[in-house]
Amino acid sequence: EVQLLESGGGLVQPGGSLRLSCAASGFTFSAYPMMWVRQAPGKGLEWVSSITDRTYTTDYADSVKGRFTVSRDNSKSTLYLQMNSLRADDTAVYYCAKADGYGWAADFWGLGTLVTVSS
Amino acid sequence: EIVLTQSPGTLSLSPGERATLSCRASQSVTSDFLAWYQQKPGQAPRLLIYATSSRADAIPARFSGSGSGTDFTLTISRLEPEDFALYYCQHSKTFGGGTKVEIE
Repeated sequence: EVQLLESGGGLVQPGGSLRLSCAASGFTFSAYPMMWVRQAPGKGLEWVSSITDRTYTTDYADSVKGRFTVSRDNSKSTLYLQMNSLRADDTAVYYCAKADGYGWAADFWGLGTLVTVSS
Repeated sequence: EIVLTQSPGTLSLSPGERATLSCRASQSVTSDFLAWYQQKPGQAPRLLIYATSSRADAIPARFSGSGSGTDFTLTISRLEPEDFALYYCQHSKTFGGGTKVEIE
């Protein structure tokens, strides 16, 4: 059974940093691209970042470019999102998701971790 | 940058009725990368349809997808009580704004 378990969310002051982790199990983690998607309270889904499986090519939404860094450790089956210079509008539930390997459809999602940026 | 516009914003229907949800892209997109998701309150999204018309694992046959170019559609043939939820389309790394299917 595929499982994705996010951790690392919490309350942080504007300008602060957080590192999210996503522990994956139930599939060959190293064989699939992965992504982070967020959802602000009461709002829709926003793709944040992605990383491919073998070349580790990364991509970012303009809203987070230069502040967030995605990475993966295939030996630990873990995806990361380092978030720096956090702003109030980064407040959201952050989901880790597995890409289907065909396009960028996310066929499995974690339960999400809440990041709140507030003073 | 591709923008996906979903309509209507809210669809009010009764169980047993047919639901037709629209997703329009600001420019022609690859059908292979068009997906649909369902999201219920407090839950993560669930993949329904990928590559425009392929149902994901364990998705009931009442859900179907179609379209090409800039216009895509998710159809729920007969609404079940558990189908009342939010629906999002996605192309590659862009999501639409969502359509809420609510009980009339």
